[in-house]
Amino acid sequence: GEDVEQSLFLSVREGDSSVINCTYTDSSSTYLYWYKQEPGAGLQLLTYIFSNMDMKQDQRLTVLLNKKDKHLSLRIADTQTGDSAIYFCAERSPGGGQNFVFGPGTRLSVLP
Amino acid sequence: GAVVSQHPSRVICKSGTSVKIECRSLDFQATTMFWYRQFPKQSLMLMATSNEGSKATYEQGVEKDKFLINHASLTLSTLTVTSAHPEDSSFYICSARDSNNPGGAGYTFGSGTRLTVV
Repeated sequence: GEDVEQSLFLSVREGDSSVINCTYTDSSSTYLYWYKQEPGAGLQLLTYIFSNMDMKQDQRLTVLLNKKDKHLSLRIADTQTGDSAIYFCAERSPGGGQNFVFGPGTRLSVLP
Repeated sequence: GAVVSQHPSRVICKSGTSVKIECRSLDFQATTMFWYRQFPKQSLMLMATSNEGSKATYEQGVEKDKFLINHASLTLSTLTVTSAHPEDSSFYICSARDSNNPGGAGYTFGSGTRLTVV
Protein backbone atom coordinates (compact mmCIF):
# COMPACT_ATOMS: atom_id res chain seq x y z
CA GLY A 1 0.00 0.00 0.00
CA GLU A 2 0.93 3.64 0.04
CA ASP A 3 3.52 4.70 2.57
CA VAL A 4 5.11 7.99 3.53
CA GLU A 5 8.25 8.12 5.67
CA GLN A 6 9.90 10.97 7.53
CA SER A 7 12.58 11.31 10.14
CA LEU A 8 10.92 11.90 13.50
CA PHE A 9 13.06 14.65 15.01
CA LEU A 10 15.15 17.61 13.89
CA SER A 11 16.88 20.25 15.99
CA VAL A 12 18.35 23.42 14.56
CA ARG A 13 19.64 26.70 15.94
CA GLU A 14 17.67 29.87 15.43
CA GLY A 15 18.71 31.55 12.21
CA ASP A 16 19.95 28.37 10.57
CA SER A 17 18.17 26.56 7.76
CA SER A 18 16.07 23.48 8.46
CA VAL A 19 15.68 20.68 5.96
CA ILE A 20 12.96 18.11 6.54
CA ASN A 21 12.98 15.07 4.30
CA CYS A 22 10.21 12.76 3.19
CA THR A 23 9.97 9.69 0.98
CA TYR A 24 6.84 8.19 -0.48
CA THR A 25 6.02 5.05 -2.37
CA ASP A 26 3.00 5.83 -4.54
CA SER A 27 4.25 6.79 -7.98
CA SER A 28 0.78 7.95 -8.99
CA SER A 29 0.80 10.76 -6.42
CA THR A 30 -0.41 13.95 -8.00
CA TYR A 31 0.15 16.40 -5.17
CA LEU A 32 2.63 16.39 -2.33
CA TYR A 33 2.06 18.55 0.71
CA TRP A 34 3.71 19.97 3.76
CA TYR A 35 1.56 20.71 6.79
CA LYS A 36 2.49 22.28 10.10
CA GLN A 37 0.85 21.28 13.36
CA GLU A 38 1.39 23.20 16.56
CA PRO A 39 0.53 21.61 19.93
CA GLY A 40 -3.18 20.92 20.30
CA ALA A 41 -4.01 22.48 16.96
CA GLY A 42 -5.17 21.31 13.57
CA LEU A 43 -3.12 21.19 10.40
CA GLN A 44 -1.95 24.31 8.66
CA LEU A 45 -1.15 23.97 4.98
CA LEU A 46 2.33 25.36 4.40
CA THR A 47 2.83 24.54 0.77
CA TYR A 48 2.22 21.89 -1.83
CA ILE A 49 3.79 20.86 -5.10
CA PHE A 50 2.31 19.26 -8.15
CA SER A 51 4.04 16.08 -9.19
CA ASN A 52 5.30 17.51 -12.50
CA MET A 53 7.27 20.24 -10.70
CA ASP A 54 10.80 19.98 -9.34
CA MET A 55 10.85 22.96 -7.05
CA LYS A 56 8.57 25.49 -5.48
CA GLN A 57 9.62 28.47 -3.40
CA ASP A 58 7.40 30.58 -1.19
CA GLN A 59 9.16 33.15 0.96
CA ARG A 60 11.25 31.21 3.51
CA LEU A 61 10.00 27.84 2.28
CA THR A 62 11.53 25.83 -0.54
CA VAL A 63 10.16 22.47 -1.62
CA LEU A 64 12.25 20.13 -3.73
CA LEU A 65 10.78 17.09 -5.43
CA ASN A 66 12.76 14.24 -6.90
CA LYS A 67 10.09 12.19 -8.54
CA LYS A 68 12.49 9.50 -9.71
CA ASP A 69 13.59 8.79 -6.14
CA LYS A 70 10.17 9.67 -4.68
CA HIS A 71 11.86 12.12 -2.34
CA LEU A 72 10.43 15.39 -1.11
CA SER A 73 12.12 17.97 1.08
CA LEU A 74 11.11 21.15 2.83
CA ARG A 75 13.73 23.78 3.53
CA ILE A 76 12.94 26.55 5.98
CA ALA A 77 15.37 29.43 5.71
CA ASP A 78 16.28 31.55 8.74
CA THR A 79 14.43 29.23 11.11
CA GLN A 80 12.72 30.99 14.00
CA THR A 81 11.48 29.74 17.37
CA GLY A 82 7.94 30.11 16.05
CA ASP A 83 8.74 27.42 13.50
CA SER A 84 8.95 24.82 16.27
CA ALA A 85 6.16 22.37 15.48
CA ILE A 86 5.47 19.03 13.87
CA TYR A 87 5.71 18.97 10.10
CA PHE A 88 3.75 16.40 8.15
CA CYS A 89 4.51 15.33 4.64
CA ALA A 90 1.48 14.00 2.77
CA GLU A 91 0.73 12.66 -0.66
CA ARG A 92 -2.52 12.59 -2.50
CA SER A 93 -3.28 10.33 -5.41
CA PRO A 94 -6.04 10.55 -7.97
CA GLY A 95 -9.00 8.25 -7.82
CA GLY A 96 -10.49 6.49 -4.85
CA GLY A 97 -11.52 8.80 -2.07
CA GLN A 98 -8.94 11.44 -2.91
CA ASN A 99 -7.71 11.08 0.61
CA PHE A 100 -4.31 11.97 1.91
CA VAL A 101 -1.63 9.62 3.16
CA PHE A 102 0.39 11.29 5.88
CA GLY A 103 3.87 10.63 7.10
CA PRO A 104 4.54 10.21 10.82
CA GLY A 105 5.55 13.85 11.21
CA THR A 106 8.91 15.46 11.99
CA ARG A 107 9.16 17.32 15.25
CA LEU A 108 11.25 20.42 14.63
CA SER A 109 12.87 22.02 17.66
CA VAL A 110 14.46 25.41 17.22
CA LEU A 111 17.12 26.20 19.79
CA PRO A 112 17.91 29.80 20.72
CA GLY B 1 -8.93 31.78 2.37
CA ALA B 2 -11.06 28.73 2.96
CA VAL B 3 -11.97 28.08 6.57
CA VAL B 4 -13.25 24.94 8.23
CA SER B 5 -14.77 25.29 11.66
CA GLN B 6 -14.64 22.24 13.89
CA HIS B 7 -16.49 22.08 17.21
CA PRO B 8 -16.04 21.42 20.00
CA SER B 9 -12.30 21.89 20.27
CA ARG B 10 -12.17 19.89 23.46
CA VAL B 11 -14.66 17.58 25.15
CA ILE B 12 -14.60 15.32 28.16
CA CYS B 13 -17.35 12.75 28.47
CA LYS B 14 -18.24 9.80 30.63
CA SER B 15 -17.79 6.27 29.42
CA GLY B 16 -20.92 4.99 27.69
CA THR B 17 -22.16 8.35 26.50
CA SER B 18 -22.15 9.69 22.93
CA VAL B 19 -20.34 12.72 21.61
CA LYS B 20 -21.03 14.66 18.43
CA ILE B 21 -18.32 16.58 16.60
CA GLU B 22 -19.20 19.10 13.92
CA CYS B 23 -17.18 20.05 10.86
CA ARG B 24 -18.43 23.06 8.94
CA SER B 25 -17.05 24.70 5.83
CA LEU B 26 -17.61 28.42 6.29
CA ASP B 27 -17.12 29.96 2.89
CA PHE B 28 -17.23 27.12 0.41
CA GLN B 29 -19.26 24.08 -0.42
CA ALA B 30 -17.86 20.68 0.39
CA THR B 31 -19.49 17.64 -1.13
CA THR B 32 -16.76 15.54 0.41
CA MET B 33 -15.33 15.72 3.89
CA PHE B 34 -12.85 13.44 5.60
CA TRP B 35 -12.52 12.39 9.22
CA TYR B 36 -9.14 11.56 10.68
CA ARG B 37 -7.98 10.29 14.02
CA GLN B 38 -4.64 11.13 15.54
CA PHE B 39 -3.19 9.31 18.52
CA PRO B 40 -0.59 11.09 20.67
CA LYS B 41 2.70 11.55 18.89
CA GLN B 42 1.38 9.76 15.83
CA SER B 43 0.25 10.69 12.37
CA LEU B 44 -3.26 11.15 11.07
CA MET B 45 -5.18 8.07 10.07
CA LEU B 46 -8.17 8.36 7.79
CA MET B 47 -11.31 6.98 9.40
CA ALA B 48 -13.95 7.69 6.82
CA THR B 49 -14.94 9.74 3.81
CA SER B 50 -18.17 11.64 4.20
CA ASN B 51 -20.23 12.35 1.08
CA GLU B 52 -23.08 14.82 1.07
CA GLY B 53 -26.41 13.10 0.66
CA SER B 54 -25.06 9.57 0.75
CA LYS B 55 -23.55 7.05 3.10
CA ALA B 56 -20.03 7.53 4.35
CA THR B 57 -17.24 5.25 3.24
CA TYR B 58 -15.32 3.78 6.16
CA GLU B 59 -11.73 2.61 6.18
CA GLN B 60 -10.94 -0.94 7.07
CA GLY B 61 -11.11 -1.56 10.79
CA VAL B 62 -13.31 1.46 11.57
CA GLU B 63 -16.67 0.49 13.06
CA LYS B 64 -19.39 2.37 11.24
CA ASP B 65 -21.92 1.72 14.01
CA LYS B 66 -19.59 3.28 16.54
CA PHE B 67 -18.52 6.28 14.50
CA LEU B 68 -21.68 7.62 12.91
CA ILE B 69 -21.19 10.13 10.15
CA ASN B 70 -23.87 12.41 8.78
CA HIS B 71 -23.25 14.79 5.89
CA ALA B 72 -26.68 16.32 5.46
CA SER B 73 -25.70 19.57 3.78
CA LEU B 74 -22.96 20.92 1.53
CA THR B 75 -21.32 22.68 4.45
CA LEU B 76 -21.75 20.36 7.41
CA SER B 77 -20.58 16.91 8.37
CA THR B 78 -20.90 15.44 11.84
CA LEU B 79 -19.10 12.57 13.52
CA THR B 80 -20.83 10.96 16.49
CA VAL B 81 -18.80 8.69 18.71
CA THR B 82 -21.41 6.39 20.21
CA SER B 83 -21.05 4.63 23.56
CA ALA B 84 -17.62 6.13 24.00
CA HIS B 85 -14.94 4.27 25.90
CA PRO B 86 -11.56 5.42 27.16
CA GLU B 87 -9.83 3.85 24.17
CA ASP B 88 -11.77 6.26 21.94
CA SER B 89 -9.90 9.14 23.55
CA SER B 90 -8.00 10.78 20.75
CA PHE B 91 -7.64 13.88 18.58
CA TYR B 92 -10.16 13.92 15.75
CA ILE B 93 -9.61 16.17 12.74
CA CYS B 94 -11.86 16.79 9.78
CA SER B 95 -10.96 17.98 6.31
CA ALA B 96 -13.25 19.48 3.70
CA ARG B 97 -12.75 19.39 -0.03
CA ASP B 98 -13.83 22.51 -1.90
CA SER B 99 -16.25 21.38 -4.60
CA ASN B 100 -15.19 24.26 -6.83
CA ASN B 101 -11.45 23.89 -6.24
CA PRO B 102 -10.42 20.29 -6.60
CA GLY B 103 -6.77 21.18 -7.07
CA GLY B 104 -3.85 21.12 -4.71
CA ALA B 105 -5.04 23.68 -2.22
CA GLY B 106 -8.68 22.65 -2.29
CA TYR B 107 -8.55 20.75 0.98
CA THR B 108 -8.85 22.54 4.29
CA PHE B 109 -8.45 21.01 7.72
CA GLY B 110 -10.36 21.85 10.85
CA SER B 111 -8.60 22.70 14.07
CA GLY B 112 -9.35 19.34 15.64
CA THR B 113 -11.31 18.03 18.61
CA ARG B 114 -9.59 16.55 21.63
CA LEU B 115 -11.90 13.85 23.02
CA THR B 116 -11.23 12.46 26.48
CA VAL B 117 -13.44 9.66 27.75
CA VAL B 118 -13.33 9.10 31.51
